[in-house]
Amino acid sequence: GNSVTQMEGPVTLSEEAFLTINCTYTATGYPSLFWYVQYPGEGLQLLLKATKADDKGSNKGFEATYRKETTSFHLEKGSVQVSDSAVYFCALSDKASGTYKYIFGTGTRLKVLA
Amino acid sequence: NAGVTQTPKFQVLKTGQSMTLQCAQDMNHEYMSWYRQDPGMGLRLIHYSVGAGITDQGEVPNGYNVSRSTTEDFPLRLLSAAPSQTSVYFCASSYSQRNTGELFFGEGSRLTVL
Repeated sequence: GNSVTQMEGPVTLSEEAFLTINCTYTATGYPSLFWYVQYPGEGLQLLLKATKADDKGSNKGFEATYRKETTSFHLEKGSVQVSDSAVYFCALSDKASGTYKYIFGTGTRLKVLA
Repeated sequence: NAGVTQTPKFQVLKTGQSMTLQCAQDMNHEYMSWYRQDPGMGLRLIHYSVGAGITDQGEVPNGYNVSRSTTEDFPLRLLSAAPSQTSVYFCASSYSQRNTGELFFGEGSRLTVL
């Protein structure tokens, strides 16, 4: 079945450091890929997405490229800020039996220190 | 717009009690769903609905009931609460399940079953 695997956290970085959070997926079809972010005490919100191979999603300085050959969708940011501290979820949406079902990874907690 | 509204935000139950988590959205979304979030397990789909009068089971439906009498509302019912149902519950909606749409999440409901 479909699945999403992302690196375990927590990830602790100093402000202005480079961030990479790894995400790989398994899917039988051609999924769309997402990164969602959850700030403390809030629900998840979409950070970026990519719908086909080689697409790059970007938002708020974060980027991720849909790599079909390596089944990966790694999240990167060149210079993190304290305000980026949150839990990040990689997810896929794949059509199965006529409906799209989302599958989420376990989440990676990021803590950025001033 | 209010988006996705969940109530209550916090609830403590005793084993065997029943309760309903409410979810309402004002975006005229066809698709609504309930997830539970547990440490180390990410988000798991409980039930979902692709329109009024249509519901289906997700990954972990046991112990939960849902109904969808209107487009706006999608309540989740626990008929006889168990400690294993202690979790944070999120309602999420999307404009359509026929495309790769973004999921919009509520702020979550934290349930403790003693």
